[in-house]
Amino acid sequence: GNSVTQMEGPVTLSEEAFLTINCTYTATGYPSLFWYVQYPGEGLQLLLKATKADDKGSNKGFEATYRKETTSFHLEKGSVQVSDSAVYFCALSGSRDDKIIFGKGTRLHILP
Amino acid sequence: KAGVTQTPRYLIKTRGQQVTLSCSPISGHRSVSWYQQTPGQGLQFLFEYFSETQRNKGNFPGRFSGRQFSNSRSEMNVSTLELGDSALYLCASSTTGTFTDTQYFGPGTRLTVL
Repeated sequence: GNSVTQMEGPVTLSEEAFLTINCTYTATGYPSLFWYVQYPGEGLQLLLKATKADDKGSNKGFEATYRKETTSFHLEKGSVQVSDSAVYFCALSGSRDDKIIFGKGTRLHILP
Repeated sequence: KAGVTQTPRYLIKTRGQQVTLSCSPISGHRSVSWYQQTPGQGLQFLFEYFSETQRNKGNFPGRFSGRQFSNSRSEMNVSTLELGDSALYLCASSTTGTFTDTQYFGPGTRLTVL
C-alpha cells in the first residue's frame, strides 16, 4: 500500500540556517504530494503541494520538488525563522477519492 | 470566511463511556474527514463523509462511527471508550474531497480517557 517516510526529529537549527526535511514515498501511479505544518495548539495547515512529477510547490519561503525518479518530496527553506518552529508533515494522496496518508511528522525547533 | 470549527476543544471521559465530537466545515465544503493524532501512531485517517454518505473508512474498530448532516456538519462518536482512545481528534473539510483538493483542518478536540 501507499506510505510516506520522513526524517525523524526533533530538528534543531539556529535562526537563518538552511533547512531540509527529507520525505520519501511509496505509491502506485501518480500521487499528489503535500506538506502540512502544525503550530503548537493548532490544527494542520497546508503549506504547499505538488500534483505531478517535477512540479515545485512553494509558500512562505518553503519549497519542495516532486521527484518521481527518487520518489521524494524534500522540504527546504533557505533561511529559517523562530516562527517556523512547528511540526511538519509530509503526506500523499494516491488516487481520486483516496484518503491522505501522513508521515509521522518532524518537529522543528529554531533557536534565536 | 470562517474556518473549520470543532467542539468541544477538550474533553475528559472515563473508560466505558461514550463521546460525541462535532465538526462544522467551512461554508460550501461538502467533504469532511476525521483523523486521530497520537504521539505513537501519528495521524491516522478515520473516515470521510461527502454529502451525508461515508465515502472512505480507515482501519478503526466499529466503536468509531460518524455521520454527516444535510448542512455538511459532521459528528464523530466513540462508544465504550478505552484508555488508548486518548488522542487529538482532527477534522478537515474540503470542497469535493478529491485527491488534489486542499483540506482545511480544525484546531482539534483533545480527548483524555481516564
